[in-house]
Amino acid sequence: KQEVTQIPAALSVPEGENLVLNCSFTDSAIYNLQWFRQDPGKGLTSLLLIQSSQREQTSGRLNASLDKSSGRSTLYIAASQPGDSATYLCAVRGGLGSARQLTFGSGTQLTVLP
Amino acid sequence: ETGVTQSPTHLIKTRGQQVTLRCSSQSGHNTVSWYQQALGQGPQFIFQYYREEENGRGNFPPRFSGLQFPNYSSELNVNALELDDSALYLCASSLLSPTYNEQFFGPGTRLTVL
Repeated sequence: KQEVTQIPAALSVPEGENLVLNCSFTDSAIYNLQWFRQDPGKGLTSLLLIQSSQREQTSGRLNASLDKSSGRSTLYIAASQPGDSATYLCAVRGGLGSARQLTFGSGTQLTVLP
Repeated sequence: ETGVTQSPTHLIKTRGQQVTLRCSSQSGHNTVSWYQQALGQGPQFIFQYYREEENGRGNFPPRFSGLQFPNYSSELNVNALELDDSALYLCASSLLSPTYNEQFFGPGTRLTVL
């Protein structure tokens, strides 16, 4: 059974700092990995999707890496801003079965202080 | 192109009642997945529908059931509500394809069971 762990559970940083969020998963047979952002009480916004054959993806100030063999992914946020404050969720999509559902971590709650 | 929409936004029910939640998938998507997110946790996969048939199910009892319609919209039905069913219910749509399968989430329905 796939398990996804995100460390740390919460993080508080001053504005302008670069930061890294970590995600680990137990089964390396994944189809892809997605990073999401969730604002309080809201749905999920997809930030980056990395296919299993890829090593990293970039979008603006965000960069996500994937090391499938070691079961790890990182989300790097450059020059953090107060508007980046949210919960960041990592999810892996299973490699077996047609549904290939997403298995989520519990998230990292990020607070960027002005 | 419209995104994923869900209704209602909030719902309050009492234990033992039945509830129906609705989801309209993003234009061009043929697959709908439902997730349950308890407070402070990552979403948990309930089931997925593809071409009006269930295409995978998570560890949820049979009182959680669903439908997908020819226009790819979907319903989640929960019978005999329990207090632990209180959660944010998220719907995600995607295109079931070997090469492109990013999931896009709706804003969610907040269900409170009293």
